[in-house]
Amino acid sequence: DIQLTQSPSFLSASVGDRVTITCRASQGISSYLAWYQQKPGKAPKLLIYAASTLQSGVPSRFSGSGSGTEFTLTISSLQPEDFATYYCQQLNSYPLFTFGPGTKVDIK
Amino acid sequence: QVQLVQSGAEVKKPGASVKVSCKASGYTFTGYYMHWVRQAPGQGLEWMGRINPNSGGTNYAQKFQGRVTMTRDTSISTAYMELSRLRSDDTAVYYCARVTPGRWYDYWGQGTLVTVSS
Repeated sequence: DIQLTQSPSFLSASVGDRVTITCRASQGISSYLAWYQQKPGKAPKLLIYAASTLQSGVPSRFSGSGSGTEFTLTISSLQPEDFATYYCQQLNSYPLFTFGPGTKVDIK
Repeated sequence: QVQLVQSGAEVKKPGASVKVSCKASGYTFTGYYMHWVRQAPGQGLEWMGRINPNSGGTNYAQKFQGRVTMTRDTSISTAYMELSRLRSDDTAVYYCARVTPGRWYDYWGQGTLVTVSS
């Protein structure tokens, strides 16, 4: 099975900060990666798919990059509504689409 | 608009079974695979399995093989996930999620909390 790691697992940031989260896969997954945002008590929300494509309706301050085994999610200017937990998900080993362990973004 | 509406919270005793429903609307139910994912309290997301609503074909995570059954009723656009022989560590929020042809999950149900307690 393909394993995903995320770093950091927790980060504390201020409104307006640039934030970068990294997701690493245990083997190459091409661009078969998605990013989700989850707020407490809510279902995850799709932000990015195919590693770098912004889902419709998602603010442009979110961006994704990478391919193979290393991927990043960047929030260019953190907004109050962005404080949440972020998960990556590999979509390569169908149908077992494993998730990363998550990165919690908290207010400094 | 696309909606996935799940059944309400459940409290079950160890050893019992639970069946969670996921009613789809706003799209052709048989046109998209449905996956099930769970999240234990304070934990991450765990893939459980998937169903092809058109054929009824299923794939399950090895961890749940023999305990999970995913079915669907196309006449009412509803998918079901039944988990048997419940244990306390099955306490979690269970989500259904629609899968696009590109494989990402574009719509999720609101989640169903299943609590297993004696």
